[in-house]
Amino acid sequence: ELKVEQNPLFLSMQEGKNYTIYCNYSTTSDRLYWYRQDPGKSLESLFVLLSNGAVKQEGRLMASLDTKARLSTLHITAAVHDLSATYFCAVNNDMRFGAGTRLTVKP
Amino acid sequence: KAGVTQTPRYLIKTRGQQVTLSCSPISGHRSVSWYQQTPGQGLQFLFEYFSETQRNKGNFPGRFSGRQFSNSRSEMNVSTLELGDSALYLCASSWGQGKADTQYFGPGTRLTVL
Repeated sequence: ELKVEQNPLFLSMQEGKNYTIYCNYSTTSDRLYWYRQDPGKSLESLFVLLSNGAVKQEGRLMASLDTKARLSTLHITAAVHDLSATYFCAVNNDMRFGAGTRLTVKP
Repeated sequence: KAGVTQTPRYLIKTRGQQVTLSCSPISGHRSVSWYQQTPGQGLQFLFEYFSETQRNKGNFPGRFSGRQFSNSRSEMNVSTLELGDSALYLCASSWGQGKADTQYFGPGTRLTVL
């Protein structure tokens, strides 16, 4: 059975710092998604990664995929308060979600 | 362009009742997916519909069902409600014709089962 693990589950960062969220999955996957959820809100799609070595960037967020290691990373560069949210990864077309990483960016 | 709409936004039901939730996708989108979010189980995929056919299904009991109409609007139904069905139900729409499709989520329906 496909398992998806995210870490850390909680992340408190200072503004201006860099950090990485990790998403490990247990079986072969043909796609990986990253989503953002603000408190009390719905989900927002961030990235879809399809192939080994895929890298996508949007603003201060960059996602990458290593299918051989079954690992995706979401890298945050020079964090700002507006990035505070919960970030989820999800794998495959039946969308197995990780537990989410609650990110808090402090001034 | 109007976003994904879900109705109702909030719903309170009692155990044993049934409920129907509605999702109107972005115009032109043919795929609608449904998700359940609870504090205990997190986000879970329910099912996906594309052109009125269920294309994918998560691991939920048969009490959870859905359908999609010819205009791509979708409904999901939960029969014989249980307390554990209390959740935020999200729907998302996309073009549905490629792996790289971006999903656009509605605001969700918050269901409380008493």
